[in-house]
Amino acid sequence: QKEVEQDPGPLSVPEGAIVSLNCTYSNSAFQYFMWYRQYSRKGPELLMYTYSSGNKEDGRFTAQVDKSSKYISLFIRDSQPSDSATYLCAMTYSGNTPLVFGKGTRLSVIA
Amino acid sequence: GAGVSQSPRYKVAKRGQDVALRCDPISGHVSLFWYQQALGQGPEFLTYFQNEAQLDKSGLPSDRFFAERPEGSVSTLKIQRTQQEDSAVYLCASSLAEARINYGYTFGSGTRLTVV
Repeated sequence: QKEVEQDPGPLSVPEGAIVSLNCTYSNSAFQYFMWYRQYSRKGPELLMYTYSSGNKEDGRFTAQVDKSSKYISLFIRDSQPSDSATYLCAMTYSGNTPLVFGKGTRLSVIA
Repeated sequence: GAGVSQSPRYKVAKRGQDVALRCDPISGHVSLFWYQQALGQGPEFLTYFQNEAQLDKSGLPSDRFFAERPEGSVSTLKIQRTQQEDSAVYLCASSLAEARINYGYTFGSGTRLTVV
């Protein structure tokens, strides 16, 4: 079992839908949680960052971390075709350890 | 430049050939990371530099992989005697921060290596 599990999809939704993406992890020592967006043939770009448990909102994006369940989520409201990309969750133990990524979920938002 | 630049964008190598992949980080960025991303997978950590010092190379998969950053700016990832399993996208990322809190750093578009 990998440290971070993420359903690779693909996930296809109509424009305007609410999208829910999630990851589970096995190591309770993870403290920093991130979501990256990766367009085809591009590098990942940071969308959201959360330390420990809780929620964080930024525009149409909301990140949630539930450390008791070892489960993190990203919600996208009013999804747009430009949101079509692969979404990667990532996490790390501290400031001195590398990021551990999930496989990524491929999302298509259909106009 | 404004972003992290990687070259070449695409590289086809015959099995057994040596390759060198280049990363130009954002000017002034102290931290530099290399990741390997296989098809359909998330990036996996290879190695980390702070300025010219290689502080972590725990992710390098074998002694055929070697990375350097001699003047603390441009970095080169070298793969000797390439194998088919080395086929992947190699991503470079840089960060202004000296601390190894490696969230929020900027990725390049990667070099897609295909070993035939």
